[in-house]
Amino acid sequence: AQTVTQSQPEMSVQEAETVTLSCTYDTSESNYYLFWYKQPPSRQMILVIRQEAYKQQNATENRFSVNFQKAAKSFSLKISDSQLGDTAMYFCALFHGGATNKLIFGTGTLLAVQP
Amino acid sequence: DVKVTQSSRYLVKRTGEKVFLECVQDMDHENMFWYRQDPGLGLRLIYFSYDVKMKEKGDIPEGYSVSREKKERFSLILESASTNQTSMYLCASTPGQTTGELFFGEGSRLTVL
Repeated sequence: AQTVTQSQPEMSVQEAETVTLSCTYDTSESNYYLFWYKQPPSRQMILVIRQEAYKQQNATENRFSVNFQKAAKSFSLKISDSQLGDTAMYFCALFHGGATNKLIFGTGTLLAVQP
Repeated sequence: DVKVTQSSRYLVKRTGEKVFLECVQDMDHENMFWYRQDPGLGLRLIYFSYDVKMKEKGDIPEGYSVSREKKERFSLILESASTNQTSMYLCASTPGQTTGELFFGEGSRLTVL
């Protein structure tokens, strides 16, 4: 069975500091995608960053980067220079593609950026 | 920009009522999804559709049905609402050939009394 685990229900970080959100997953597939989605308070969920499993290089989007450890099935999100607007629920997700086109989500990490 | 619009942000219904949640997307996406979001449980897939009039059960379809009569519209139906269906409902869409990026609506928070 495919699963996604986020073991940190809540985290807090000071503005301008760096924070890392953890995610582990389990799959028997060799080809898959991993995502981090952000859900700000009362706003829609948006994609933060995507990683293809076949790529060894870690994905980066501005202040957001991932540490993808394929053998360990770990996919953490690092947010550098945290801003107040980064306050949100963050979800890790796994996608295999194929006939089902379904994403499997973790339970989320609520990140609060403190001024 | 892709826009996914959910008809109601907040609804309050009584036990036993029939509830319709509507979702419309404007990017001609083949795939549409209904998720339920609950604290500590993340997002759980209720139903999805990969074409007009096609539907597939997700992980928690019990108590729900869906309708997709037009490509841009995907409706979630609660035939007889119950208090345990109080939740946030999220609609999402994605193109047919997808790498998994979902485009979400703003969500519909349903309270069943």
